[in-house]
Amino acid sequence: QTVVTQEPSFSVSPGGTVTLTCGLNSGSVSTNYYPSWYQQTPGQTPRTLIYTTNTRSSGVPDRFSGSILGNKAALTITGAQADDESDYYCALFLGGGLWVFGGGTKLTVL
Amino acid sequence: QVQLVESGAGVVQPGGSLRLSCAASGFTFSNYNMHWVRQAPGKGLEWVAFIWFDGSSKKYADSVKGRLTISRDNFKDTLYLQMNSLTIEDTAVYYCAKDSGGGDCALDYWGQGALVTVSS
Repeated sequence: QTVVTQEPSFSVSPGGTVTLTCGLNSGSVSTNYYPSWYQQTPGQTPRTLIYTTNTRSSGVPDRFSGSILGNKAALTITGAQADDESDYYCALFLGGGLWVFGGGTKLTVL
Repeated sequence: QVQLVESGAGVVQPGGSLRLSCAASGFTFSNYNMHWVRQAPGKGLEWVAFIWFDGSSKKYADSVKGRLTISRDNFKDTLYLQMNSLTIEDTAVYYCAKDSGGGDCALDYWGQGALVTVSS
């Protein structure tokens, strides 16, 4: 069974930089998995932030960036703001129409 | 602009059935693959099902295989999720989502969600 791992929680100071990661229990995450990132505040619909590893969705501020760091996908927020406090989910394309989400990271800005 | 509007939410008893619909507008529905994703109360996102743009291929998460069926009507610009043999573990908000297409792989637009509660 494919399991995608994310940090359960993370904290960042306003104006600081934080990197959230997305790993695989069975190996390395590469661009072949087309990693994407989604932001969700409680009670709201998910918002697509990053797709195909490092492409920002329309309207997403450039303080959000995606990459591959070592054997994981990564979402970096540079200059964190209070309204970045949300849950962040990564998703990986497994091929053949199959997808899997990570368990999500709860980001606190304080 | 792209809009996805789910309907069919409700309360159903264990073992019962329910069908969700997702009305699409603002894009050429018949050109895009589509997804269903769910979120149990207080839990994370779980990918549920995927359907090819023309309905020719469908994929499911193991947790729902054989019980949930994704389908679409490209004449009505509508996506469906038929849910049978429901269990308490199927209680969740169900989101339909558009696939980005064009060589990218992402869920780029989401509906507002439909709450399905399985309870006796």
